[in-house]
Amino acid sequence: AQSVAQPEDQVNVAEGNPLTVKCTYSVSGNPYLFWYVQYPNRGLQFLLKYITGDNLVKGSYGFEAEFNKSQTSFHLKKPSALVSDSALYFCAVRRDSNYQLIWGAGTKLIIKP
Amino acid sequence: ETGVTQSPTHLIKTRGQQVTLRCSSQSGHNTVSWYQQALGQGPQFIFQYYREEENGRGNFPPRFSGLQFPNYSSELNVNALELDDSALYLCASSRDGGGYGYTFGSGTRLTVV
Repeated sequence: AQSVAQPEDQVNVAEGNPLTVKCTYSVSGNPYLFWYVQYPNRGLQFLLKYITGDNLVKGSYGFEAEFNKSQTSFHLKKPSALVSDSALYFCAVRRDSNYQLIWGAGTKLIIKP
Repeated sequence: ETGVTQSPTHLIKTRGQQVTLRCSSQSGHNTVSWYQQALGQGPQFIFQYYREEENGRGNFPPRFSGLQFPNYSSELNVNALELDDSALYLCASSRDGGGYGYTFGSGTRLTVV
């Protein structure tokens, strides 16, 4: 069965420090991997995706993620956190032959000034 | 290009009633997916429509039904509402099944009392 795990409910980072939000997945076949961000009472905003190619993916707002096939991970990173990055972050996966997105439970990112 | 628009933004219904939620897809997109996001959880896939046909369904009962129109807008209908149906309902549009990314609307917050 397909699944996504975001092992941390909350991540706290000081402004200016690097941040990492973790995601591991379980899916048969080739995975399509996504990161989305959600602000309070809002829909989901696309950050980045991995379909194929370079394992390091660069996305919106200075975020990047590294696909690691052996560890089945797709961690989200940013070199220098901003207070405005505080939000709820979701990792999602789908198989290349299936349209359904499977989502993690989300990680609340708090950036402290 | 226009994004994804959902209506209404908020809705309160009584248990046992029926509700229809609407979604206008982004220009150039022919696929619409619907998700249910309960408070504090990740989204759950309800179903997807591609060129007016349902081509994927998650683990939701038949009282959740939908339509996609020739202009690729979509409706989600829920009959015999239950208290547990209270959630944020998200619509996402994409091109050709969504393998390359999804654009989400801001959602409809449904409260069943």
